[in-house]
Amino acid sequence: NAGVTQTPKFQVLKTGQSMTLQCAQDMNHNSMYWYRQDPGMGLRLIYYSASEGTTDKGEVPNGYNVSRLNKREFSLRLESAAPSQTSVYFCASSAMTSGVSTDTQYFGPGTRLTVL
Amino acid sequence: AQKITQTQPGMFVQEKEAVTLDCTYDTSDPSYGLFWYKQPSSGEMIFLIYQGSYDQQNATEGRYSLNFQKARKSANLVISASQLGDSAMYFCAMRRNYNNDMRFGAGTRLTVKP
Repeated sequence: NAGVTQTPKFQVLKTGQSMTLQCAQDMNHNSMYWYRQDPGMGLRLIYYSASEGTTDKGEVPNGYNVSRLNKREFSLRLESAAPSQTSVYFCASSAMTSGVSTDTQYFGPGTRLTVL
Repeated sequence: AQKITQTQPGMFVQEKEAVTLDCTYDTSDPSYGLFWYKQPSSGEMIFLIYQGSYDQQNATEGRYSLNFQKARKSANLVISASQLGDSAMYFCAMRRNYNNDMRFGAGTRLTVKP
């Protein structure tokens, strides 16, 4: 099993450009998440999807949109990239839909994004 | 609001010795879960161990154990018999029950010396 996969691994954008980060999981999980990791700040939740067809905002959603394409895939879109969005982006998935505290999240390898 | 604090930006340990990484949290919810993740230099986030707020015993997973002190709101990770491969960033995280917003601490960088 591949687990959680993300594409691309690296990306450089110019300010104002748009792009979509792709995430897929093969564990038949219901919930999927997008996080960003900035130096010294740990991970912060951008958006999540508790089930196919639903999405909700996390701690830092501004400047991002998401699409839960199907049960396997969850994409993150930057419509007009800004230097403040330079970060490492992680996708994660977990089995449950209800956000039970025992529900472990499993992470993809990350995408390192630089916005010039 | 829930908050996770890891007060040790960096820690050093001699190979084969034990090390404790500190984590304190703040929540008013009675039901929550605590997680530890390892992030090696390659960048991936690896799940290590989980502790539920109602669990009576401290969680253990191989060389990892969680020293859970509910009254002090602390969930320290203990790594026994450290190995060179344990050198990594370690993140503590908390998730309240029926809430998808998992909060992470800033992390502790552990270096294992030969």
